[in-house]
Amino acid sequence: ILNVEQSPQSLHVQEGDSTNFTCSFPSSNFYALHWYRWETAKSPEALFVMTLNGDEKKKGRISATLNTKEGYSYLYIKGSQPEDSATYLCAFNSGSARQLTFGSGTQLTVLP
Amino acid sequence: DGGITQSPKYLFRKEGQNVTLSCEQNLNHDAMYWYRQDPGQGLRLIYYSQIVNDFQKGDIAEGYSVSREKKESFPLTVTSAQKNPTAFYLCASSNGPGIYEQYFGPGTRLTVT
Repeated sequence: ILNVEQSPQSLHVQEGDSTNFTCSFPSSNFYALHWYRWETAKSPEALFVMTLNGDEKKKGRISATLNTKEGYSYLYIKGSQPEDSATYLCAFNSGSARQLTFGSGTQLTVLP
Repeated sequence: DGGITQSPKYLFRKEGQNVTLSCEQNLNHDAMYWYRQDPGQGLRLIYYSQIVNDFQKGDIAEGYSVSREKKESFPLTVTSAQKNPTAFYLCASSNGPGIYEQYFGPGTRLTVT
């Protein structure tokens, strides 16, 4: 079973703060790295799918970077808003696997 | 609207009974997945199917069974052999493995007493 680690486990920030969290994954046999946002009482939704070393993706105030050589990805949220409160999951796919391996998530709470 | 439906939202069963969780998608996706979530843990893969009439075990398949007779449907049976069946179960689908994002249903919370 592959090991995908996310840190921190939980995070509380004030509205307007910028924040970031980390996803670590095996650096060998990389194929894709996914980020999902899971709001309470809703289904997880895809934010980004990243495939190339050095990849940077952006959606509004949320962006992500990828370093496949050292096995990590950062998710950044600029100017956090209460509606950004959610659990953020990353998921790793290796070339030999047909499925995703998920980390345990970072639970973000943005306080108004 | 296209999407994934799971039913029921809450399910209660007595220990020793088999129970089947429904998952239907109208996204025309080839691949479907079943995950289990326990408190403090990430999503763990139970079974997945890349195509009709074919499915593969995930990391925690023991005590579960699936079928994929139609592209739209991927039901999960939690058998009495599953030692800790109480959990939140999520179904997902995608156009394929790896680089394709997964679309998730709303989940079923199963409680076995």
